[in-house]
Formats: sequence, structure tokens, C-alpha cells
Amino acid sequence: DTGVSQDPRHKITKRGQNVTFRCDPISEHNRLYWYRQTLGQGPEFLTYFQNEAQLEKSRLLSDRFSAERPKGSFSTLEIQRTEQGDSAMYLCASSRPWRDRVYNEQFFGPGTRLTVL
Amino acid sequence: GENVEQHPSTLSVQEGDSAVIKCTYSDSASNYFPWYKQELGKGPQLIIDIRSNVGEKKDQRIAVTLNKTAKHFSLHITETQPEDSAVYFCALSRADSSYKLIFGSGTRLLVRP
Repeated sequence: DTGVSQDPRHKITKRGQNVTFRCDPISEHNRLYWYRQTLGQGPEFLTYFQNEAQLEKSRLLSDRFSAERPKGSFSTLEIQRTEQGDSAMYLCASSRPWRDRVYNEQFFGPGTRLTVL
Repeated sequence: GENVEQHPSTLSVQEGDSAVIKCTYSDSASNYFPWYKQELGKGPQLIIDIRSNVGEKKDQRIAVTLNKTAKHFSLHITETQPEDSAVYFCALSRADSSYKLIFGSGTRLLVRP
């Protein structure tokens, strides 16, 4: 069990640029979540995938944000035309299938810290 | 939408003392209540969780209690150690399609040696 991995760990970009983050979940986990965490706050839900299907999106996910999970394994989160307000830690989490007794448990990656100048 | 209130926001204890963090919620459909520990520069780490059909769960020095009637749940850490110093978040989810987590605002725990 290698855990959830995210890449890059840090990203500094200029306002208006596009950025893309990657998340690799734990291998047997078919459910994947993206959260955003700003300084001094708890993580906030952005979007959820079950296998390759994106089943829920938060109102926080503006049309500049897009997430994909094309083969039901890794996922990418893209932010277009970044704004200073997008500066945050972007966290990915994964969990087991519903048939598993401990399906509720979500395991988080180390996050990608985005700074928009 | 669902909201979780977490208190206190900061907590300073002497090594060896106990620490208690409390969260309250409003949605009675919530049925899963995990606690996460987050160290500087790292992602949240699941330390203990409880489901709505259980009132208390313990794992070594850590315990969680749930009062469904009053809609609050608490984290108890006994015999605190300096390495317990971190930010702790409560969270909850309901049995809907995504089981997304709703987090509290966090408690910064400092254990003084």
C-alpha cells in the first residue's frame, strides 16, 4: 500500500496561466475525491469520481476548473486562467468500493500547494 | 448546507494531560464521523472514526464519543505527548451518493514538554 500520491507538491504560477495537478489513488480504491484547503481552514469538497464517472461537483468548482479520471485510475485537476483567489492546497483522497466494510474511510495525499502571483 | 462547528480553535496542554476537542452538527442524516490529524505541510491523516450505530470507540490513547441525540461528537487524547502537537479536524458524511466529507475548521493542539 503506497498511499495516495500527488504531483507536483508545489506550484507557483502567474495570474492568468493554466495549471494541472495529478493524483494517483491507492490502487484498489475506485472512488476519488478532490478537496481545496485554504490557510487556517478545513478542506472543502470540490468533486467526486466513482471509477471514471464524475458524479458530483461542488458549487465551488467554477467553470475554470475541470477534473478528469479517464481510465478510472489517476485523476487530473486543471485550473484555467488562474486567479490569486485560487491559491490554496489542493488535496486528493481515495476510498474503497461500497462493497467493502470500511468504504467510508478516505485517505488523503500530501496535497499540491498552489501559489498564484 | 451542512455545517460542522469545532471547538476550541487552539488548545495548549502540558505533556501527560488529556485533551478534548468537540464538534457539533445539525444534519441528523450524518452517519460517519472521522477525525484527522494534519501536520505542517502534509495531508490530513485519518486517526479514528465512528459510525452512527456506535456511541464510543477507543484506540490506545485516542477515543471518540458520539451523542446522536445532542448531535455532537468529541475526540479525547489521553497522556498527551509532544508528537501529538498538530492541527486536528473533525468531519462527517451522510449516506448519499458521494459520501463526501464536511470538515470542521480545525483545532491547533500544542503539547508543552
